Amino acid sequence: DTAVSQTPKYLVTQMGNDKSIKCEQNLGHDTMYWYKQDSKKFLKIMFSYNNKELIINETVPNRFSPKSPDKAHLNLHINSLELGDSAVYFCASSKGPPRSPLHFGNGTRLTVT
Amino acid sequence: GENVEQHPSTLSVQEGDSAVIKCTYSDSASNYFPWYKQELGKGPQLIIDIRSNVGEKKDQRIAVTLNKTAKHFSLHITETQPEDSAVYFCAANTGNQFYFGTGTSLTVIP
Repeated sequence: DTAVSQTPKYLVTQMGNDKSIKCEQNLGHDTMYWYKQDSKKFLKIMFSYNNKELIINETVPNRFSPKSPDKAHLNLHINSLELGDSAVYFCASSKGPPRSPLHFGNGTRLTVT
Repeated sequence: GENVEQHPSTLSVQEGDSAVIKCTYSDSASNYFPWYKQELGKGPQLIIDIRSNVGEKKDQRIAVTLNKTAKHFSLHITETQPEDSAVYFCAANTGNQFYFGTGTSLTVIP
């Protein structure tokens, strides 16, 4: 009965490869997010979708492309992976915004070698 | 845009003592302030939140205070326990966006 689940938990890949991370929420929320957490633990918003519509698209390389097939799913595809993409990626969902808390998944640790 | 500052970055307390983490924000339009606890290998989990029309909120050993005039809010944990050891994040919500502080690593020494 996990609320926000993302797969895989760990992803190790080589530079130049293309990979995807999947996220699903069973909370009935309308809004989903992708956050990147770097080695210093800083949480940075990447994208947000509300009812399958992109509402936040921060300054992220074009190699990152989110896809929301329905409001319960938000996947992240990354092309031509670079060393600097190594981080923990968190999916989250909320009823809102505004003024509704984020519910995070447990993260995907991406390591690019 | 909004800028959230969080202090201290690390905090060590003896078990049973209190811990206080402080955050400031810059955008007066921010109106919702959640606090998250992140344990090793897990995602941030909401522990308490406060809306801008409230000055203080308490939930057992955890309390949050908000001073809208000064644009700062604080997390107070009383009677700390070793399981309180984690990284804590404050956040400010403006419109569609959440702006996070840089985190406080709390260690409770048994």
